[in-house]
Amino acid sequence: EVQLVESGGGLVQPGGSLRLSCEASGFSFITSTMNWVRQAPGKGLEWVSYISSSSSSIYYADSVKGRFTISRDNAKNSLYLQMNSLIAEDTAIYYCARGRDSTLIVYWGQGTLVTVSS
Amino acid sequence: QSALTQPASVSGSPGQSITISCTGTSSDVGGYNYVSWYQQHPGKAPKLMIYDVSNRPSGISNRFSGSKSGNTASLTISGLQPEDEADYYCSSYTRSSTLVAFGGGTKLTVL
Repeated sequence: EVQLVESGGGLVQPGGSLRLSCEASGFSFITSTMNWVRQAPGKGLEWVSYISSSSSSIYYADSVKGRFTISRDNAKNSLYLQMNSLIAEDTAIYYCARGRDSTLIVYWGQGTLVTVSS
Repeated sequence: QSALTQPASVSGSPGQSITISCTGTSSDVGGYNYVSWYQQHPGKAPKLMIYDVSNRPSGISNRFSGSKSGNTASLTISGLQPEDEADYYCSSYTRSSTLVAFGGGTKLTVL
């Protein structure tokens, strides 16, 4: 059974930092592309970042470019999102999501809530 | 503002069919056959329903179908059932640096 379990969310002040983690199981993580997608409260989905299986290709949404960093550790079947200089607009549920390649997201974790507030 | 445009809401009665549209540009929907649709029930993670415009993943009912014409993709749900009530999002690969575009979502109400 495919499982993606996110952790690391919580309450952080504006300007602060947070590191999200996603532990994967039930599929070949080392050959899978991965994404982070977020959803602000009551709003729609917003793609955040993509990383290829070997970390050779990385993409970011313009809204987070320069502030967020995606990474992965294939030995630990884990995906990460380092979030710096957080602003209120970053408040959202952050989903870890497995891709087929760069063109499709096939499976989503249950998400972790990040709240940026003073 | 979302990159892809969907109607905010649609509704239908059990047994009826509904169609949700998703309009983009030649840089996304119109330029590639990489349109996907996701279903999201309240408090749950999105679930892939259609990929590559018209393909269904294993386990998805054939009541769900997808199509595309020009810059507009469509999701059709036939034989509406109460459990189909959910939010539906379209997505497309995009030539822009963003890589992935989502629609704003459509709330389906089964009357």
